[in-house]
This record gives sequence, structure tokens and C-alpha cells, in this order.
Amino acid sequence: EVQLVQSGAEVKKPGESLRISCQGSRDTFTTFWISWVRQMSGKGLEWMGRINPSDSYTTYSPSFQAHVTVSVDKSNSTAFLQWTSLEASDTAMYYCVADSAMTQYAFDIWGQGTLVTVSS
Amino acid sequence: EVVMTQSPATLSVSPGERATLSCRASESVSSNLAWYQQRVGQAPRLLIYGASTRATGIPARFSGSGSGTEFTLFISSLQSEDFGVYYCQQYNKWFSRTFGQGTKVEIK
Repeated sequence: EVQLVQSGAEVKKPGESLRISCQGSRDTFTTFWISWVRQMSGKGLEWMGRINPSDSYTTYSPSFQAHVTVSVDKSNSTAFLQWTSLEASDTAMYYCVADSAMTQYAFDIWGQGTLVTVSS
Repeated sequence: EVVMTQSPATLSVSPGERATLSCRASESVSSNLAWYQQRVGQAPRLLIYGASTRATGIPARFSGSGSGTEFTLFISSLQSEDFGVYYCQQYNKWFSRTFGQGTKVEIK
């Protein structure tokens, strides 16, 4: 069974950098696209960006493109979401999620979420 | 960017009753529409993709219909475990995905 395991909760200060991770199954990692989804407390789901682990091709939501970087380490079956300068408004739960042709590229495998808290 | 609009914002339903949730796209997304369920404190899970295909393990009481800009999720007989928030999502173009704002299904 394919699973995505995300890194643990983080507490950071405004202006600090952060990279969170999402590890998949080694044998199937390159058969999926990996997206990141933000959910602020009590709010809805927001798609941030998507990467193809096979070639690292990446696409972003216009709302997030200038503020985050999505990347992947194919050798370790791990995707990353990175900030260079966090803001308090980045406080949220972040999910990585995989999609493939098996579900016509709907989001069928979700990580457990990483809670990021940014506070001075 | 395609804007997804869900209605109603909140749906109050008694257990055993039928629920009907709507989702509208600002432009045609063909049948590239998914529905997700999110229970309190949990990650979302895929219910429906391709507008009408149930994902693996999803009970038959969940069904979806629609194409183009108008979509509907039906829950035929609500069970206690079905209460939560439901989101629609379009995935029509490879470079873009957008979610609706969600419909909360609560116990009446």
C-alpha cells in the first residue's frame, strides 16, 4: 500500500526558514505527482503546487508561487515544501498528497499533515 | 484560475436521510472533478473522481454526477460517520487544481 509520511510539527519565528518533508514508497514514488495543500485553522483546502518526481517539473498556484518552493529528492523518495522567510500567516496544517493516472489525477493518497506554527 | 463554488455552506441532515451537495465551476472542467470528505481532526480522503467514479473502498451510498460546470454529490442515507466537511476539486488542467470552499454536513 502506498503511503506518504510527513515530517513532524514545527514551531518557528517570523523571518526564519523552514523545509518540511513528505516521504513516499521507494518503488512507486516516481509514478505519482506530489502536491502540497494548505489548510489554515478552521478553513478550507488550498492547493499550493505540484511536482513530478521523475523529472522535478513543478507548477504552482499563483497565490503561492512567490512564497514557497516545492522540490524532490528522488533518491530518497522524498518531496519538500520550503520557505525562506516565514510569516505569521503561514501558520497552518500542510498536507502532501499524491495523484496518478489510476484516479485520473485526483488526489488519492494523503499524508498525515504537518502543523506549522509561526509566532514571535 | 478556475473558481469552484459549493452550496450550501452548511447542510443539516438527520441520520438516514439523503444529502445533496452542489459544486459549480467558473468554466468547464469536463468530468475532471473530485469530491473529498474531511472528518474533524483527519486528513481529507478521496470519495469520487471523474465526477462519478467511487474511489476504492467508498460505500455505494456515495454517488456523484455532472459534467462541464455543474456537479452534485449525493449521500443516499447518512450514517453517523458521514458527518464532516465535503470539498469538490477540479483538476482539468495539469498545471492547476482548485478546491471549493467546502460544505459542512452536520447532524440535524
